[in-house]
Amino acid sequence: DTAVSQTPKYLVTQMGNDKSIKCEQNLGHDTMYWYKQDSKKFLKIMFSYNNKELIINETVPNRFSPKSPDKAHLNLHINSLELGDSAVYFCASSITLAGGSETQYFGPGTRLLVL
Amino acid sequence: DAKTTQPPSMDCAEGRAANLPCNHSTISGNEYVYWYRQIHSQGPQYIIHGLKNNETNEMASLIITEDRKSSTLILPHATLRDTAVYYCIVRLYPYSGNTPLVFGKGTRLSVIA
Repeated sequence: DTAVSQTPKYLVTQMGNDKSIKCEQNLGHDTMYWYKQDSKKFLKIMFSYNNKELIINETVPNRFSPKSPDKAHLNLHINSLELGDSAVYFCASSITLAGGSETQYFGPGTRLLVL
Repeated sequence: DAKTTQPPSMDCAEGRAANLPCNHSTISGNEYVYWYRQIHSQGPQYIIHGLKNNETNEMASLIITEDRKSSTLILPHATLRDTAVYYCIVRLYPYSGNTPLVFGKGTRLSVIA
């Protein structure tokens, strides 16, 4: 009964390749996110989608393109991979609760290593 | 940038209470205090949040000072499985759309047998 799932869990690839990471949530949430955690363990937001629409796009190279085919999925496609893209990528989802505040549920992460 | 300050690391004996402090002196009236933790190699996990009242759930208690400039997360009986990096995050109530979490460096809690 995984709430937020990501595939693949590990991804090793060569520089210059194009790869995709998939994320699915079965919580009925309306907002999904991609975060990146670098080698120094800093977690930073990359993108946020609400009801399949992009609402946040932080300073991320345009080689990264998120795609949300429906509210339950948010995929991340990366073109022309570079060494600096090596990191752990976390997907998350959330829903605003009546009365305020919301919590985010994170996936297990995708460990990307670019050689 | 994160609006919180936390000690980089803390130790706690197994079975004892772990008290993790957080300073958020620039917090505004409509900002909540959230706590998440990240156990090694896993995604961050929500623990608790509050606005100005103390809060308790099955995982932890959150004590917020009256002036709201600091708070303490309390794990009442720490176990080895509580070893993790704990993040204190200040964020707006998401009136329109949902806002991302801004993570700082967190506190690495080591629970020792």
